[in-house]
Amino acid sequence: GQQLNQSPQSMFIQEGEDVSMNCTSSSIFNTWLWYKQDPGEGPVLLIALYKAGELTSNGRLTAQFGITRKDSFLNISASIPSDVGIYFCAWSGGSNYKLTFGKGTLLTVNP
Amino acid sequence: NAGVTQTPKFRILKIGQSMTLQCTQDMNHNYMYWYRQDPGMGLKLIYYSVGAGITDKGEVPNGYNVSRSTTEDFPLRLELAAPSQTSVYFCASSTEGDTEAFFGQGTRLTVV
Repeated sequence: GQQLNQSPQSMFIQEGEDVSMNCTSSSIFNTWLWYKQDPGEGPVLLIALYKAGELTSNGRLTAQFGITRKDSFLNISASIPSDVGIYFCAWSGGSNYKLTFGKGTLLTVNP
Repeated sequence: NAGVTQTPKFRILKIGQSMTLQCTQDMNHNYMYWYRQDPGMGLKLIYYSVGAGITDKGEVPNGYNVSRSTTEDFPLRLELAAPSQTSVYFCASSTEGDTEAFFGQGTRLTVV
């Protein structure tokens, strides 16, 4: 089956710092999705990427779909305390395009 | 808009008991999913459905059953609860498989 690796597993940063996290796969993907999960809540979609090389921004967030279609990164600029949470990459593929998640990156922001 | 609604929010079960986790969505989405999330871990797909009357296994289906008799509802059944099923369960839905999935608030289940 497809291998989806997300790193880092956790990050501890100071408020105002920039953050970068990434996902790599053993297979070619058609879609990369980035979700955020706040404590005690379900995940919420941040950014969706559908084309190789696509670079998309959403406020302080920027994500890119790798040109090889096997990786994606998410950057957060000028972090703030409410950025705390778990960030997941996800892909949609397989025979029924079911949604599969990476293991997540736990982000802690120190004020 | 209600979106995706899960009930109950919390439940404690004894080993061997059975229960059904309810999930309903009012967005007329074709795809529905059940995930479990263990502490400090990611989301693992249990079952999913691409439309009414169609269900398929995900990564960790053992010990669970599902049905999809209507577009709106996708209940998850635990027949013989085991401590290994202690987890937070999330239901989600999407228009298609590669579009945005909307999640419910989760059901926190403890099996003792």
